[in-house]
Amino acid sequence: EDQVTQSPEALRLQEGESSSLNCSYTVSGLRGLFWYRQDPGKGPEFLFTLYSAGEEKEKERLKATLTKKESFLHITAPKPEDSATYLCAVWVQGAQKLVFGQGTRLTINP
Amino acid sequence: EAGVAQSPRYKIIEKRQSVAFWCNPISGHATLYWYQQILGQGPKLLIQFQNNGVVDDSQLPKDRFSAERLKGVDSTLKIQPAKLEDSAVYLCASSLILGNEQFFGPGTRLTVL
Repeated sequence: EDQVTQSPEALRLQEGESSSLNCSYTVSGLRGLFWYRQDPGKGPEFLFTLYSAGEEKEKERLKATLTKKESFLHITAPKPEDSATYLCAVWVQGAQKLVFGQGTRLTINP
Repeated sequence: EAGVAQSPRYKIIEKRQSVAFWCNPISGHATLYWYQQILGQGPKLLIQFQNNGVVDDSQLPKDRFSAERLKGVDSTLKIQPAKLEDSAVYLCASSLILGNEQFFGPGTRLTVL
């Protein structure tokens, strides 16, 4: 069964304290891995797409990396406005659909 | 560029009633998706369309849920009759082609009493 697991479920950091979120996957065939940010009461907002192991993408304080079995979302010197739920999703080649993890709820305290 | 539009934003109904949600995707996007998101979980795919044809509806509870995408643009998702466990946020998304990054609307929060 195609599965995407994110850890931790929740993470609380102080402003400026860097950390990483993990997304591990077991799928029949990966065509792309996507990271989204979701604020309360809103739909997910697209952040990055990664296609192959070793690939990295950056946007402001966020950097996403990909290996053959997992992806990391590194957040450097976070600010309170980075507080949100971060969702990881994998496009499964055979099933031709996007499978989401359960998300990591990130809180940055000032 | 306008994003994905959804309406209504909120809906409260009694169990066994029916409800319909509407979605207008980003202009030019061929693929449209409906997801169900239960509180504390990631979105779960219900159905996806390529233009006005169904690509995958394997996780759509077809005894009560139906969806259509007329003329390959707007889409409606209907639930009839609703159950308590249908309480969730219903998200619509679109992408240029199947497999590309998806862009989401704000969602419709459904409460079934």
